[in-house]
Amino acid sequence: EAQVTQNPRYLITVTGKKLTVTCSQNMNHEYMSWYRQDPGLGLRQIYYSMNVEVTDKGDVPEGYKVSRKEKRNFPLILESPSPNQTSLYFCASSLFPQGRFGNSPLHFGNGTRLTVT
Amino acid sequence: DQQVKQNSPSLSVQEGRISILNCDYTNSMFDYFLWYKKYPAEGPTFLISISSIKDKNEDGRFTVFLNKSAKHLSLHIVPSQPGDSAVYFCAASLREGGKLIFGQGTELSVKP
Repeated sequence: EAQVTQNPRYLITVTGKKLTVTCSQNMNHEYMSWYRQDPGLGLRQIYYSMNVEVTDKGDVPEGYKVSRKEKRNFPLILESPSPNQTSLYFCASSLFPQGRFGNSPLHFGNGTRLTVT
Repeated sequence: DQQVKQNSPSLSVQEGRISILNCDYTNSMFDYFLWYKKYPAEGPTFLISISSIKDKNEDGRFTVFLNKSAKHLSLHIVPSQPGDSAVYFCAASLREGGKLIFGQGTELSVKP
């Protein structure tokens, strides 16, 4: 089954304790991206990757790191989490970046709810 | 600076009637627009899209309209069904791709 898999689904941690949220897709997609969803703010892009070893900042990259060493994986790293990073996080992938070659819709994972105390 | 805005946080519609969800944007360089639907405890799923060279795209009960001069797009659902109850996000991208900007979302409730 074609899917984007995020782990864990729920995570409670304390300020300053490094964590990684994993994301894997099995569709051979070039493009991957991370979003956070907060009430009243919608989905905001954190980082995206056009292909292996190519990553770039979205609108809210502060406090986050990513890497794209292989096509299928795009982990999100919080080196020193803070309470303002408490949010619902989504990983997504698409064959190509939106609009570049027409319609290439994003496939989203089911989300990771992170709480930082 | 919210480049894509959905000014209605919620919308309630009777089953069988039309639902109209609105979205405004500020960047005239946006080249591609999309609508996503999200149910609770799931990730968003793609619904319909439109290129900036078009003003209308239709897919079954769903139609997206783009008014470039007003920097406005809308999603029409006809007829609305209870299963359409969800949060709807509009999104916009630039031609080179990469960044995809989402609106705040509108929660649609379709009452039987």
